[in-house]
Amino acid sequence: DGGITQSPKYLFRKEGQNVTLSCEQNLNHDAMYWYRQDPGQGLRLIYYSQIVNDFQKGDIAEGYSVSREKKESFPLTVTSAQKNPTAFYLCASSKDGMSQHFGDGTRLSIL
Amino acid sequence: QKEVEQDPGPLSVPEGAIVSLNCTYSNSAFQYFMWYRQYSRKGPELLMYTYSSGNKEDGRFTAQVDKSSKYISLFIRDSQPSDSATYLCAMSYNAGGTSYGKLTFGQGTILTVHP
Repeated sequence: DGGITQSPKYLFRKEGQNVTLSCEQNLNHDAMYWYRQDPGQGLRLIYYSQIVNDFQKGDIAEGYSVSREKKESFPLTVTSAQKNPTAFYLCASSKDGMSQHFGDGTRLSIL
Repeated sequence: QKEVEQDPGPLSVPEGAIVSLNCTYSNSAFQYFMWYRQYSRKGPELLMYTYSSGNKEDGRFTAQVDKSSKYISLFIRDSQPSDSATYLCAMSYNAGGTSYGKLTFGQGTILTVHP
C-alpha cells in the first residue's frame, strides 16, 4: 500500500538535545511538508520541499532543520534552539501541491 | 487577525442531524479550498477540494465556497457516529511558484455525533 510512514510515534527529548523525526513516502510525490499541530491552533507549516535537494522555510522554521537527499525521505530535526518543542508533528506529501497526504504523526514531549 | 478563522467548537449533534462547519478568511488571494478530517491520534485525510466559488457534492458531504463573503462551509447530511472527528479547513493561493502547495489551515472544529 502506498502511503507516508512517520517514526517514531512517540519521542521524548531531553533539554539541550537534538532529535530527528523520520518521514518516508512511497507515493512517488515530489513535494513534501512538515507541520506542527498544537491544541486549538490547527496546523502550522515548518518546512516544505518541492524537489530533491531543495527546501524552503515555512511560517515557523526557527529551531528546526530538514534535508531532502532522496525523493522518498524528508527528515525533520528539532534542535535545542526550539524552546517549546512539545507538539504533534505531521509530515505530508503531494503530487500537485494541493491535495496533501499525511502520515499519522509523531508526538514529541520534553523529559 | 488570523488569515483563516474556524470555530473550534466542540460541536455535538445527534445521529442523523445535518452538520454545518464553517471558516472565514481575510486574504482574497486564496483560490483553492479544502476540508480535511482528522481522527484522534491520526493524520488529517482530505475530504473535499474545490477551486473558486460554488458547490461541490460527494455523497453525504457538500463543500460550499463564497468568495465574495470570504466564507467556506462543509455540510454533512445524515451524520453518523463515525463522522466524529476534528474537521480542518485549509486554503492556498495557487499551485505554482514559491507558494507551491503552501496551505493555511483553520484551527479545526471538534465534532461529536452521538447515537
